[in-house]
Amino acid sequence: GESVGLHLPTLSVQEGDNSIINCAYSNSASDYFIWYKQESGKGPQFIIDIRSNMDKRQGQRVTVLLNKTVKHLSLQIAATQPGDSAVYFCAEIRRGGRRALTFGSGTRLQVQP
Amino acid sequence: EAGVTQFPSHSVIEKGQTVTLRCDPISGHDNLYWYRRVMGKEIKFLLHFVKESKQDESGMPNNRFLAERTGGTYSTLKVQPAELEDSGVYFCASSHRQGVMPDTQYFGPGTRLTVL
Repeated sequence: GESVGLHLPTLSVQEGDNSIINCAYSNSASDYFIWYKQESGKGPQFIIDIRSNMDKRQGQRVTVLLNKTVKHLSLQIAATQPGDSAVYFCAEIRRGGRRALTFGSGTRLQVQP
Repeated sequence: EAGVTQFPSHSVIEKGQTVTLRCDPISGHDNLYWYRRVMGKEIKFLLHFVKESKQDESGMPNNRFLAERTGGTYSTLKVQPAELEDSGVYFCASSHRQGVMPDTQYFGPGTRLTVL
């Protein structure tokens, strides 16, 4: 897959456990944050987003938390399933009208059955 | 609804040759983006079209890269001449709305480019 040569931090969890994936961002001017999931051989798939005027947003089995004070973003996956195994990227869009996503380096989630 | 499609899925060329990548966005999406991941690096933005116009091409690495979106539908990204460091995966994404706030970008499966 595309991750060959890209040394990613890996989070290994047991099926059914909750997973927490963390991301630090550097630009305090960012006002829109997104989590993407990428499976081998596929493009990034949108999971959930959050705007900077919020600190928490929930989706189906996923929750994103935003801490602007320490510029930290996390993705919580409840009851992790084998199908959740993938590389997870946080991305941000910086205030000012540009739509370019700035991606983090990614975290590989491995779910053990 | 069909997603973003990209062609080819893989391309292997020799240094100095030309390659053209194609992206078909989701129907009705005015915004089209190109990104790439070269070996060992993060996914990086290349450029953004709104319909047929280049809105932001700040990520284009050099003048060997030419992106077009004639008619505001599909887009092509041509690399001429290709260099070894151009190897990587090229992603296309599209999104629907214009306006002040950004909206969700949907990604295609990518084209893996290998320059030998």
